[in-house]
Amino acid sequence: EAGVTQFPSHSVIEKGQTVTLRCDPISGHDNLYWYRRVMGKEIKFLLHFVKESKQDESGMPNNRFLAERTGGTYSTLKVQPAELEDSGVYFCASSQEGGWTEAFFGQGTRLTVV
Amino acid sequence: AQTVTQSQPEMSVQEAETVTLSCTYDTSESDYYLFWYKQPPSRQMILVIRQEAYKQQNATENRFSVNFQKAAKSFSLKISDSQLGDAAMYFCAYRGRTGNQFYFGTGTSLTVIP
Repeated sequence: EAGVTQFPSHSVIEKGQTVTLRCDPISGHDNLYWYRRVMGKEIKFLLHFVKESKQDESGMPNNRFLAERTGGTYSTLKVQPAELEDSGVYFCASSQEGGWTEAFFGQGTRLTVV
Repeated sequence: AQTVTQSQPEMSVQEAETVTLSCTYDTSESDYYLFWYKQPPSRQMILVIRQEAYKQQNATENRFSVNFQKAAKSFSLKISDSQLGDAAMYFCAYRGRTGNQFYFGTGTSLTVIP
């Protein structure tokens, strides 16, 4: 069974440009999460989808970030326009229902804004 | 809000020796789950071990065990007979029973010395 996959693995863009990150969760997982880790800091929650609906987007830093989950399958996270402080590693995770269940993570996308 | 603290940014251990990674958390909830995740270099984060807060018995998975102290809100990870493949970044995480968001610490980078 395929795990959580993220594209691209690395992205270097200039300030002001747009970048779109993609996440394909494990098939059948209704829950999909986006997290971000800035160097040396904790992994911070961005938002949570249940199927195609945004359950919690309290962690989204500002309106330059837009997340979608088409048909409850894959998800995209667009940053437009990118700023220097957006640099970090963006993780996607998916899980089945239930607090006991673990989250399965993708390998992350390392975003560098220069 | 829940917070997770890992006070050891870096740790090292001799191969075959034992190491303990610290984690404390803050919550007002009485029922929750705690996790340790491991992220090897350039690879996906994977679950190492998990603990249900209502269980007094400490979880064990082969060479990995936890010391869960609910009153002290402490959840340390002990790795016995350390192996080279244990070298990774380790993240402690918290999840409420009813919630779906994971809260992570800043991580501990573990080096295993041959």
